[in-house]
Amino acid sequence: QQPVQSPQAVILREGEDAVINCSSSKALYSVHWYRQKHGEAPVFLMILLKGGEQKGHDKISASFNEKKQQSSLYLTASQLSYSGTYFCGTEIAGVYGGATNKLIFGTGTLLAVQP
Amino acid sequence: EAGVAQSPRYKIIEKRQSVAFWCNPISGHATLYWYQQILGQGPKLLIQFQNNGVVDDSQLPKDRFSAERLKGVDSTLKIQPAKLEDSAVYLCASSLSGSSYEQYFGPGTRLTVT
Repeated sequence: QQPVQSPQAVILREGEDAVINCSSSKALYSVHWYRQKHGEAPVFLMILLKGGEQKGHDKISASFNEKKQQSSLYLTASQLSYSGTYFCGTEIAGVYGGATNKLIFGTGTLLAVQP
Repeated sequence: EAGVAQSPRYKIIEKRQSVAFWCNPISGHATLYWYQQILGQGPKLLIQFQNNGVVDDSQLPKDRFSAERLKGVDSTLKIQPAKLEDSAVYLCASSLSGSSYEQYFGPGTRLTVT
């Protein structure tokens, strides 16, 4: 049930763009995105609820395709501060499509932004 | 607003010893989570509380791990006896109510079992 993220790692230069994908084998109610810097706790980025929405703030945005059970995180014009490991957390939909309140974190994507 | 507090930050014990971790969530957060994060992996949910009731403990190794959340506020996670494979960072997180809300993580406790 653990969602699979791709790529596993990516190296960028400042100003370049990146896309991180998260794929589940189960129907989803919501997808969460977190960033974790080395030795620190994960920090919340955004939540997307089923309905195929897209969210974003500043230069980080995300989309959620519930039919494909996939979400993508878009980082535009990357900055050094974007470096870290990105985790998606997927909440599987209940029998009637509602929330189950159980989050499963993915395998993680290591992002390194170089000057 | 104060964040999620955890203690201790670091702990080194020998296998077969016992250890306990403490977590104080953000005030007003009904849901509290304990995660185990092994180096290079994503956080793995051990137990989830809604107020002082257990919502999910399906991945908690109950023969050695136990957790409680008295009065629906702070929580303790205990390992007895510890094994080498328990070496990990133990993260506590809280949210307003349920997983559809953002989770706020504490700094974690890094446990090393020798």
